[in-house]
Amino acid sequence: DVRLTQSPSTLSASVGDRVTITCRASQSISPWLAWFQQKPGKAPELLIYDTSKLKSGVPSRFSGSGSGAEFSLTISGLQPDDFATYYCQHYNSYFGGGTKVEIK
Amino acid sequence: EVQLVESGGGLVQPGGSQRLSCEASGFTFSREWMSWVRQAPGKGPELVANINQDGGEKNYVDSVRGRFTISRDNAKNSLYLQMNSLRAEDTAVYYCACGAFWGQGALITVSS
Repeated sequence: DVRLTQSPSTLSASVGDRVTITCRASQSISPWLAWFQQKPGKAPELLIYDTSKLKSGVPSRFSGSGSGAEFSLTISGLQPDDFATYYCQHYNSYFGGGTKVEIK
Repeated sequence: EVQLVESGGGLVQPGGSQRLSCEASGFTFSREWMSWVRQAPGKGPELVANINQDGGEKNYVDSVRGRFTISRDNAKNSLYLQMNSLRAEDTAVYYCACGAFWGQGALITVSS
């Protein structure tokens, strides 16, 4: 089984900041990794798939990168709407533990 | 466009059974691994089970092994989850998933 370790678990940031969330897999899984955003009371929404492909309609301030077993999600210029919890997922498999992005 | 539509959610008594279905379209269903993901209230998403392209390989999270069965019908582009001996802790929204793409979810509430 591929396990995903996401860090940090909580991230405090301000509007306009550039933030990066990391997801490490227990083995190489590239490029089969996705990133989801979840707001309270809502279903997770897909942001990035295949490591770096932006889902249609997702703002370009979101980007994904990585290879092998190390991946990252970067938000360039944090907006008020971006304060949420983010999860990485290996396709049809396990999830990272989540990163809550909160207002500093 | 990938479309996954779940059905079969509802209120179930503890110890009861329920079957979820997922109808897939917009991609070649028979070529893809499929999975069921769930999210309980206040918790992160969790893989429940996955199945390979011909149904010959199935994997389950420990908490449902022996109680849930994942299956598929490639002729009908459909995925199923048979859930038996349901417990309160199985209460969650259940999503059908293909890779990074999920359906809208089906709520299963286990309560007397």
